[in-house]
Amino acid sequence: AQSVTQPDIHITVSEGASLELRCNYSYGATPYLFWYVQSPGQGLQLLLKYFSGDTLVQGIKGFEAEFKRSQSSFNLRKPSVHWSDAAEYFCAVGIYNQGGKLIFGQGTELSVKP
Amino acid sequence: DSGVTQTPKHLITATGQRVTLRCSPRSGDLSVYWYQQSLDQGLQFLIQYYNGEERAKGNILERFSAQQFPDLHSELNLSSLELGDSALYFCASSVFQGVRNNEQFFGPGTRLTVL
Repeated sequence: AQSVTQPDIHITVSEGASLELRCNYSYGATPYLFWYVQSPGQGLQLLLKYFSGDTLVQGIKGFEAEFKRSQSSFNLRKPSVHWSDAAEYFCAVGIYNQGGKLIFGQGTELSVKP
Repeated sequence: DSGVTQTPKHLITATGQRVTLRCSPRSGDLSVYWYQQSLDQGLQFLIQYYNGEERAKGNILERFSAQQFPDLHSELNLSSLELGDSALYFCASSVFQGVRNNEQFFGPGTRLTVL
């Protein structure tokens, strides 16, 4: 069955430090992968997506993610974190031939220390 | 602001009751999705409609039903409510019906509390 695992429930980083959020997926075919961010009291906003091609994808707000098929991973990175990046981050996989169905990971909550 | 609107923002009701959540998609979007976010289950896909037709179904309980109307707004009906139905219910919309090149825009959610 398809699934997404985000191993880290909560991460704290200092402002200005680099960030990497981990995501592993289980899916039989080429996956469609997404990262969303949810700020407190808000809906989800798409940060970036991977469908095919270049395995390093750039997103909004200075985020990037790298697709590694051999590791079934799609980790999210940012070189320098800002206090406004504190939020919950969700990795998701889109299921081909099941409409627009997305399967989400459990989320990683990011806290930023001043 | 994603352009997706959901009403009401908050809903408090009792066990056994029935409620209706409403979603208006972005202008021009034909697909509407419903997701449930709870502490124990996380963020789960419930159902998708595309131009009035059911397109995909997830772990939606039989007590829950949804529909998309000709003006493309959607309603999620939850009946015989249980304490465990307390959650944040998100609606999302997109132009197309698949996952490729079809960004989903999420509304702010409806917080349902069942007492």
